[in-house]
Amino acid sequence: RKEVEQDPGPFNVPEGATVAFNCTYSNSASQSFFWYRQDCRKEPKLLMSVYSSGNEDGRFTAQLNRASQYISLLIRDSKLSDSATYLCVVNLPGTTSGTYKYIFGTGTRLKVLA
Amino acid sequence: DVKVTQSSRYLVKRTGEKVFLECVQDMDHENMFWYRQDPGLGLRLIYFSYDVKMKEKGDIPEGYSVSREKKERFSLILESASTNQTSMYLCASSLRSNYGYTFGSGTRLTVV
Repeated sequence: RKEVEQDPGPFNVPEGATVAFNCTYSNSASQSFFWYRQDCRKEPKLLMSVYSSGNEDGRFTAQLNRASQYISLLIRDSKLSDSATYLCVVNLPGTTSGTYKYIFGTGTRLKVLA
Repeated sequence: DVKVTQSSRYLVKRTGEKVFLECVQDMDHENMFWYRQDPGLGLRLIYFSYDVKMKEKGDIPEGYSVSREKKERFSLILESASTNQTSMYLCASSLRSNYGYTFGSGTRLTVV
């Protein structure tokens, strides 16, 4: 089983729609979770961290479900500019005590259509 | 804003060459990382460093080595480049463990 799994999509949605992505992770020792956005031929950029209680940033809502080991990203009122690939990121303990490494999912592609 | 700078945007090297990819960050971050990104495989961790002269293998370290002599600089070395190392290489840094990353703009390496 992969450490981090995402549906690759693409998710094609009309402008103004609400869309949600899930990401599952396999290691219960993971402590930090993030969503990144990557535009075509660009580097990934941090979209938001995911906190245990859930968190919101404008039209974006992230949630964590530790019992079922998944995180989610909800985008409301989709804009054309939201078209991108969304990467789920989970940390795992490194070999050296106190270090962590981040494992990326392969990403979910979103296309918002006019 | 943190800036992570990778020395080259595009590189073309020959099989068997020794290749150096340089990465510099300007915000005194403790942790630095090297990933490669390939279609369908996503970002895969090659090596990371949590302090000067400290390094740890990631998931795909074979064929690579790293050097971190100064806090701001993290170098990835391909000892003898092979065609299967053709990829996009991304460097990232973070202030501390459990903090989000800032990525450089990437180096697209082609080995011929």
